[in-house]
Amino acid sequence: EDQVTQSPEALRLQEGESSSLNCSYTVSGLRGLFWYRQDPGKGPEFLFTLYSAGEEKEKERLKATLTKKESFLHITAPKPEDSATYLCAVQAGGGGNKLTFGTGTQLKVEL
Amino acid sequence: ETGVTQTPRHLVMGMTNKKSLKCEQHLGHNAMYWYKQSAKKPLELMFVYNFKEQTENNSVPSRFSPECPNSSHLFLHLHTLQPEDSALYLCASSSQRGPMETQYFGPGTRLLVL
Repeated sequence: EDQVTQSPEALRLQEGESSSLNCSYTVSGLRGLFWYRQDPGKGPEFLFTLYSAGEEKEKERLKATLTKKESFLHITAPKPEDSATYLCAVQAGGGGNKLTFGTGTQLKVEL
Repeated sequence: ETGVTQTPRHLVMGMTNKKSLKCEQHLGHNAMYWYKQSAKKPLELMFVYNFKEQTENNSVPSRFSPECPNSSHLFLHLHTLQPEDSALYLCASSSQRGPMETQYFGPGTRLLVL
């Protein structure tokens, strides 16, 4: 059974204090790993897709990396507007359209 | 309208009511999904439709009944729900034309069952 574990559950940062969120996964044949951002009361907003180990993608202050067992979402010099819940999901080979999600990391960036 | 829209955004219903959630996607996609999101739990896939055909039912109770009349519209019909069905219901869509199908989500319907 595919599994996704995200850590930490919650993270509080000062503005400008860089950190990383972790997504560990077990999946039978990874087709892709997805990162989403979710603001309270809203649907998840797509950030990145990573396909293979060693791949990296960047968007503004966010950088996602992938190994064979985990993915990291690095946040450089965060701002209060980066506060949100960050969700990780995996899609397995042969799993059709199904995404398996983690429970997310709730990030709060304070002034 | 752009992206994926959902109506209503909020819904309160009694256990004996019948209501429907509506989802519309404006992305030209051909796959649509219903997810349930409860506090402290991962998103749970409920149903998948590809080209209007249901391809996945993730052991969802029959009090939830999906309908997909075309590739742009998806409904979730609700009847005799239980309080534990209170959650955020999310619709998503994706294109099935490429090797990797990113799912794009709507804003969700916050459902409260009394």
